[in-house]
Amino acid sequence: NAGVMQNPRHLVRRRGQEARLRCSPMKGHSHVYWYRQLPEEGLKFMVYLQKENIIDESGMPKERFSAEFPKEGPSILRIQQVVRGDSAAYFCASSSSSGLNTGELFFGEGSRLTVL
Amino acid sequence: AQTVTQSQPEMSVQEAETVTLSCTYDTSESDYYLFWYKQPPSRQMILVIRQEAYKQQNATENRFSVNFQKAAKSFSLKISDSQLGDAAMYFCAYRSGSGGSNYKLTFGKGTLLTVNP
Repeated sequence: NAGVMQNPRHLVRRRGQEARLRCSPMKGHSHVYWYRQLPEEGLKFMVYLQKENIIDESGMPKERFSAEFPKEGPSILRIQQVVRGDSAAYFCASSSSSGLNTGELFFGEGSRLTVL
Repeated sequence: AQTVTQSQPEMSVQEAETVTLSCTYDTSESDYYLFWYKQPPSRQMILVIRQEAYKQQNATENRFSVNFQKAAKSFSLKISDSQLGDAAMYFCAYRSGSGGSNYKLTFGKGTLLTVNP
């Protein structure tokens, strides 16, 4: 039973380019969360999505960042016109509905974005 | 807003010894969950142990146990018989048990644990 799959694991972009990070939740999970980890910091909540719906994007910067979780396919975190401050590890987590109540989140291995 | 504080940026322990990692949190809620996550060099976040605030009994998972002091808002992790594979960054995390945003985890900044052979 595959876990949460994220790709790419490592992504290098130049300032001004776009970054797309993908997340496939665990089988049977319909809730996806994105977290960002800056160097020397803990993870910070960015956005919570269910299929085709953004439930809470309060932790996501208003400019340049967007997220989606389409009916088919993985969840995508998109960062437009990247800047050096976007360099971080981006983690995706998923849960089933019951997991949501018990707090059982399953994390992927993260995508490390480096902006040159 | 809830906050989670890990006051020990780094800790070290000898193999087979016991180590305790500290965590305090601030909340006005009575219903919540607390977690310890392990992040090895591979960077994957692995759930180590979970505690429901309404449970008085401290959670235990094999060599890992917690000391949950609700009144003091303290949630320390004890690792017994430390093994080389326990070396990792450990994060304490909080989640509301009810309310509109009970899906968000709030993390501390982490404690880097080194295990010496």
